[in-house]
Amino acid sequence: DAGVIQSPRHEVTEMGQEVTLRCKPISGHDYLFWYRQTMMRGLELLIYFNNNVPIDDSGMPEDRFSAKMPNASFSTLKIQPSEPRDSAVYFCASSYRVGEPYFGPGTRLTVT
Amino acid sequence: SQQGEEDPQALSIQEGENATMNCSYKTSINNLQWYRQNSGRGLVHLILIRSNEREKHSGRLRVTLDTSKKSSSLLITASRAADTASYFCAAALLQGAQKLVFGQGTRLTINP
Repeated sequence: DAGVIQSPRHEVTEMGQEVTLRCKPISGHDYLFWYRQTMMRGLELLIYFNNNVPIDDSGMPEDRFSAKMPNASFSTLKIQPSEPRDSAVYFCASSYRVGEPYFGPGTRLTVT
Repeated sequence: SQQGEEDPQALSIQEGENATMNCSYKTSINNLQWYRQNSGRGLVHLILIRSNEREKHSGRLRVTLDTSKKSSSLLITASRAADTASYFCAAALLQGAQKLVFGQGTRLTINP
């Protein structure tokens, strides 16, 4: 298996623009997680899905953030409009049941 | 706020020495996990210790867990230059074990 795939790997955008991050989990995994990593706040869980259904989105910072999982092999995290403080590395991870999560390589987002 | 707090924040030792990192957490956990992150990369799962376990070994890794003190330690024996990375503990909450709360991490540097 190729592991968790994230795209793009790097994204640079201007404040106010819409940003969409994409994730393909490992086939057969039923949990999908979105994390954000910054120097100031470390690694934060934003939202996670089980069988494509959002279970806990309490970590989503505000209404500008939204996440979807239309099917078992694809998820998106969207920021609209983006702000400079959204600059971070965004990780997607997937797991089978309550097993160890496998992390993707991350998307480094820079909002200018 | 972050569940896990780690110390030291940075550790620099000579190759061959042992490295010990500590982690504290705030609430009841299902298990505690340790991850490694190389610069610019995703997280790699190292080891998981359940709340009813006190010590666990995996190769050169030794993890201890003291639930009465809400603390854990990771020991890397006979360190190698390739062990240079950031190490994070992650607490899997008792209610919602899928939800990992990460510490701020320890930056470990192994000097040849």
